[in-house]
Amino acid sequence: DVKVTQSSRYLVKRTGEKVFLECVQDMDHENMFWYRQDPGLGLRLIYFSYDVKMKEKGDIPEGYSVSREKKERFSLILESASTNQTSMYLCASSFPQTYEQYFGPGTRLTVT
Amino acid sequence: AQSVTQLGSHVSVSEGALVLLRCNYSSSVPPYLFWYVQYPNQGLQLLLKYTSAATLVKGINGFEAEFKKSETSFHLTKPSAHMSDAAEYFCAVSDPGYSSASKIIFGSGTRLSIRP
Repeated sequence: DVKVTQSSRYLVKRTGEKVFLECVQDMDHENMFWYRQDPGLGLRLIYFSYDVKMKEKGDIPEGYSVSREKKERFSLILESASTNQTSMYLCASSFPQTYEQYFGPGTRLTVT
Repeated sequence: AQSVTQLGSHVSVSEGALVLLRCNYSSSVPPYLFWYVQYPNQGLQLLLKYTSAATLVKGINGFEAEFKKSETSFHLTKPSAHMSDAAEYFCAVSDPGYSSASKIIFGSGTRLSIRP
């Protein structure tokens, strides 16, 4: 079974802190994705990566950056956390051309 | 541009009744279509997918969906609802502009409630 793990299920941070969310997949997928999920808005793509060290902005990249130094790991970075970044963050991975994405359990981040 | 519209943010049915969750899509090329389910405080799990083979697609937990090109629809159904089906359901469509990255676009979700 494909496994996508995220470093924390719940996280509480203060405004202005630098926040790291880690995602690891064990299926040798080339593609990895970070989404945020808010009630009524569905999933919105923040960033994605199609290869090591390659990244592309999604629909809502402002206030975020990413890092992919190894194929299995994709990190989301909040440079200076703000209260409007309080959300559920979901990581996913997939093979190219299959479009089928596998999701981690999510990290519920609260910024106070 | 590709888009997905899910009709109804909340659907409530009685246990044993038919479940029908509606999804319409817009795509400039033949799409791949997906339904995902999310149980409380969990990630998304693939229910079923359409990849240009049979138009009636069967998934897990007794769900199925029918691809109707003329109606640009991919509605999800289950003949008899069970209490364990209570969850949020997301329809999604492939975005061919990023084929090397297998990007997909999600609808806003439909929360399914089951009445005893």
